[in-house]
Amino acid sequence: DAKTTQPPSMDCAEGRAANLPCNHSTISGNEYVYWYRQIHSQGPQYIIHGLKNNETNEMASLIITEDRKSSTLILPHATLRDTAVYYCIVRPIYNQGGKLIFGQGTELSVKP
Amino acid sequence: GAVVSQHPSRVICKSGTSVKIECRSLDFQATTMFWYRQFPKKSLMLMATSNEGSKATYEQGVEKDKFLINHASLTLSTLTVTSAHPEDSSFYICSARAVSGRGEQYFGPGTRLTVT
Repeated sequence: DAKTTQPPSMDCAEGRAANLPCNHSTISGNEYVYWYRQIHSQGPQYIIHGLKNNETNEMASLIITEDRKSSTLILPHATLRDTAVYYCIVRPIYNQGGKLIFGQGTELSVKP
Repeated sequence: GAVVSQHPSRVICKSGTSVKIECRSLDFQATTMFWYRQFPKKSLMLMATSNEGSKATYEQGVEKDKFLINHASLTLSTLTVTSAHPEDSSFYICSARAVSGRGEQYFGPGTRLTVT
């Protein structure tokens, strides 16, 4: 079973920041938080991952709370092409048996 | 970034026939590959995990004799849907975990299977 909880859908205006929340209250110390997104009829695309520090890359920022029980993915300037389903996943990174188990994700609609 | 390809991207087959889907890691080696299926408006469901040179591990409820997985090399895994039926129609997605680095996992573009 997925170990994360996300809102099923969100809307965002084009050009504004999209803030996607994720709850992972049962996360353990050796588990990372991963974010992937899936644009319609394509394979999932890696966005970002983190352990406890905030992370930023060219696509997004990841803010993880101090207790690590929740996180927020931030797309700073959403475009229409960011419309997709966003998945928040926790898994141990160094465990070769670790699997990416997808929950229901958040369907983000970016509107003009 | 690392690229995973799938072939074919779309396939239509008749009920009772078998279909093979290939998954290749193009610019990296992958000891572990994963196969998912996805029904319309649903999330990805992990079917099986395959390690190069050994038998695949199937998730609960997935028939190993129906979904044959072969991981013959560090860059190629195949999924064969045997005796396909209309209910096997789905979007099949493979994923490959890199040998090097921190075990990053990359996804293919998916294969749309339609069984008539």
